[in-house]
Amino acid sequence: AQSVTQLDSHVSVSEGTPVLLRCNYSSSYSPSLFWYVQHPNKGLQLLLKYTSAATLVKGINGFEAEFKKSETSFHLTKPSAHMSDAAEYFCVVSDRSGYSTLTFGKGTMLLVSP
Amino acid sequence: ETGVTQSPTHLIKTRGQQVTLRCSSQSGHNTVSWYQQALGQGPQFIFQYYREEENGRGNFPPRFSGLQFPNYSSELNVNALELDDSALYLCASRAAEGARSTEAFFGQGTRLTVV
Repeated sequence: AQSVTQLDSHVSVSEGTPVLLRCNYSSSYSPSLFWYVQHPNKGLQLLLKYTSAATLVKGINGFEAEFKKSETSFHLTKPSAHMSDAAEYFCVVSDRSGYSTLTFGKGTMLLVSP
Repeated sequence: ETGVTQSPTHLIKTRGQQVTLRCSSQSGHNTVSWYQQALGQGPQFIFQYYREEENGRGNFPPRFSGLQFPNYSSELNVNALELDDSALYLCASRAAEGARSTEAFFGQGTRLTVV
């Protein structure tokens, strides 16, 4: 079984300040981990993925995440928030097989103020 | 654009009716998954099809059913609609062979409202 816990339902930052969205996972297998972003009334867009290569993963729009097996964490960070980053972010876990399904966290809403 | 298209984009149905949602997967992708996203929640896995056969199912009742066609497009059917079925339904496609898989690409979703 696999599960994801996103530790904050809402995160508020000011434009230009760092962003930290926290995620812990549980998986019976060596997991693949993803962060997806969802803007209002839009589908899901892949930000970045971890699939057993480098533990520090760089994604689009300046986001990155670090896989820490000892802490079962995959936190998402960005050095400087932009207004356009305001959206809902989902941490997702999948086992490594080709038949695996995705298990989503409940999401973190990122609010960015001027 | 992900290359995954869903239709219709919005739909209003009456409780007790039946609905069919459609998904056209990205070229070269043989696996389609469906997810239900209720308001304010993360997407929940409904079921998955690989080469026209269901190979995974989440905690949804049998009135949620599906099909995958030879061209790998897919349908989600929901019978006896209930008010709680109101949600955004997302389709995701990927290419999977054995232990190898690409990441999933999502469509824009179908917003279903049951009244």
